This record gives sequence, structure tokens and C-alpha cells, in this order.
Amino acid sequence: AQSVTQLDSHVSVSEGTPVLLRCNYSSSYSPSLFWYVQHPNKGLQLLLKYTSAATLVKGINGFEAEFKKSETSFHLTKPSAHMSDAAEYFCVVSDPTTNAGKSTFGDGTTLTVKP
Amino acid sequence: EAQVTQNPRYLITVTGKKLTVTCSQNMNHEYMSWYRQDPGLGLRQIYYSMNVEVTDKGDVPEGYKVSRKEKRNFPLILESPSPNQTSLYFCASSHESRTSGSSDTQYFGPGTRLTVL
Repeated sequence: AQSVTQLDSHVSVSEGTPVLLRCNYSSSYSPSLFWYVQHPNKGLQLLLKYTSAATLVKGINGFEAEFKKSETSFHLTKPSAHMSDAAEYFCVVSDPTTNAGKSTFGDGTTLTVKP
Repeated sequence: EAQVTQNPRYLITVTGKKLTVTCSQNMNHEYMSWYRQDPGLGLRQIYYSMNVEVTDKGDVPEGYKVSRKEKRNFPLILESPSPNQTSLYFCASSHESRTSGSSDTQYFGPGTRLTVL
């Protein structure tokens, strides 16, 4: 069975400092992993995805994530936070060996950016 | 414009009154899903469909029904809504990933906020 754990429900950083949002997953095979962002009262938008190509994945707005199979992690990072990064972030796993259409979301991490 | 549309966007109803939330996509995606979002619980998959006439249960299917008679449409049916189904609902669609064989990037609708009194 697939599962996702986002290790922090809230992260607060100052503008201009690095961002780290942590995600661990459980999957029976090599999964597809995604990070989505949801701004207040908005829909969800893809930040980046890993689908068995390069383990370091670059996304939009300066975000990137590294797939580490040995640690079963897919942490999201950004070198310098902007005020506009304040949002809720979701890590998602999809495992083709269990059922290709099934997607499991983490509980989300709320990122606050202080001026 | 490529998009996923949901209707209605807001709905207040009473316990037991059947309702349908429609979802339509214009991207010729094979996969479609319904999720509910509740505070602190992220998004939980209710049902998904991998193509026309192919549907399967997600993590929280109780009290919901779906159908996929056409590729573009994936309605969510609550035959007898209850207050614990008060939530924010999202429809999403995606292609099948050519590299992994599972769902690729999902495109989400704007959400339907449902209140069941």
C-alpha cells in the first residue's frame, strides 16, 4: 500500500531564507511523486514531479526536490523564500504497481513567510 | 483553454436530498478523480476512473457514487447526503504517464463547497 507523510504541518520562515518542506513516502515499487501548491482560496497547481527520470527535479518558482530512494524521501526546497510562497503544499504519491489511478496525498504543510 | 470545470461551485442542501456535482474536462485525459478536502486531512481520493466505464474506489468512497459514460465527464453523486459529507470537493484529470504507467500531472477544477444541513 502507498502512503505519504509530510513531517511538518506548519513551517514558518523569513523572507529571503531557505525553505525546506519534508515528505516521506511508502510504496511497493518506484513511484511517481508530486508536489502541489494551493494558495488561499485557490485551486491546486503542480510545482514539480518525479517519474523515474533524474532524481533532482526542478519545478516552477525556483522550487526543487530530490528523490532519495534509500531514505524514501522527496523533500521540497527553495533557496530564498518570497512572500508569494505563502501557501499550503501537498506531497503526493502514485504507485503504478498497486493501482495506476490511485493517488495518495499527504496532510499538507502550511508555509508562512514573514517579512 | 484547457480546463476542468465543476458545477455548482457552492451548494447548501439538506440531509437526504440527492445531489449531483458535475465535472468536465476538455483535455482528452484518460484519468479522472474526485477528492474531498477537509482541514488537516489533505485531499482524500473518493473515486477515480482510468477510462470510460472503468471506475474504482479511492480511500473514502462510502456515501458516493460515480459514473464515466463519456471520456470528458465524471459526475459525483450523493444519493443521500449527510452532514459528515460537508466538505470542499475537487475534480481532477490527467493523462497516463508514459514513463511510469500511473497517473501523470493532475489538473484540478476550482472546487465545489458543499454544506449538508
